[in-house]
Amino acid sequence: SAVISQKPSRDICQRGTSLTIQCQVDSQVTMMFWYRQQPGQSLTLIATANQGSEATYESGFVIDKFPISRPNLTFSTLTVSNMSPEDSSIYLCSVGLSGADTQYFGPGTRLTVL
Amino acid sequence: AQSVSQHNHHVILSEAASLELGCNYSYGGTVNLFWYVQYPGQHLQLLLKYFSGDPLVKGIKGFEAEFIKSKFSFNLRKPSVQWSDTAEYFCAVNNAGNMLTFGGGTRLMVKP
Repeated sequence: SAVISQKPSRDICQRGTSLTIQCQVDSQVTMMFWYRQQPGQSLTLIATANQGSEATYESGFVIDKFPISRPNLTFSTLTVSNMSPEDSSIYLCSVGLSGADTQYFGPGTRLTVL
Repeated sequence: AQSVSQHNHHVILSEAASLELGCNYSYGGTVNLFWYVQYPGQHLQLLLKYFSGDPLVKGIKGFEAEFIKSKFSFNLRKPSVQWSDTAEYFCAVNNAGNMLTFGGGTRLMVKP
């Protein structure tokens, strides 16, 4: 497995502002992913963070709203832009080991937008 | 597109009862199957996984799951639950290298 950390662990933000979430892994990994877990719901994949190229977004998620950086094989950031209360969720990063077949998750960032 | 359904949203059991959580998926090709667990206040952890071979896989903490290809199912079982098994359980599927699709989750409460 891998040790994954996220910062911040939680935040309360005002509507219209942006928050950048960091994900750090203790080893080099090829695949990194960002998920959203809305209150009382399951996890939904936002995008795959590709090192050296643009992220690949899932249906319903766009780069302008959720820009992602992946500067190296151990680090990625997700920005939640122009936030609204509907963005209140837990945001999780995960890494794929053994290709992408097994994913391990970070502790999550609990975001509340007022 | 693949989808995953978990039949029970909430399950309440007494300690020592047996557990079976249902998971069905819709995808006709080769799949990898996972169960994740999220204990209260903790992050998502891998419980067990199936890639190939013996369809009965054993995971941590006495959990096991059986892959039945003909039924597109991957049910999670434990013969005797403990209070510490109180958590939310997620079934997930990926088609060999692609994205993970999660089921809606099952909240298990074990009464002491």
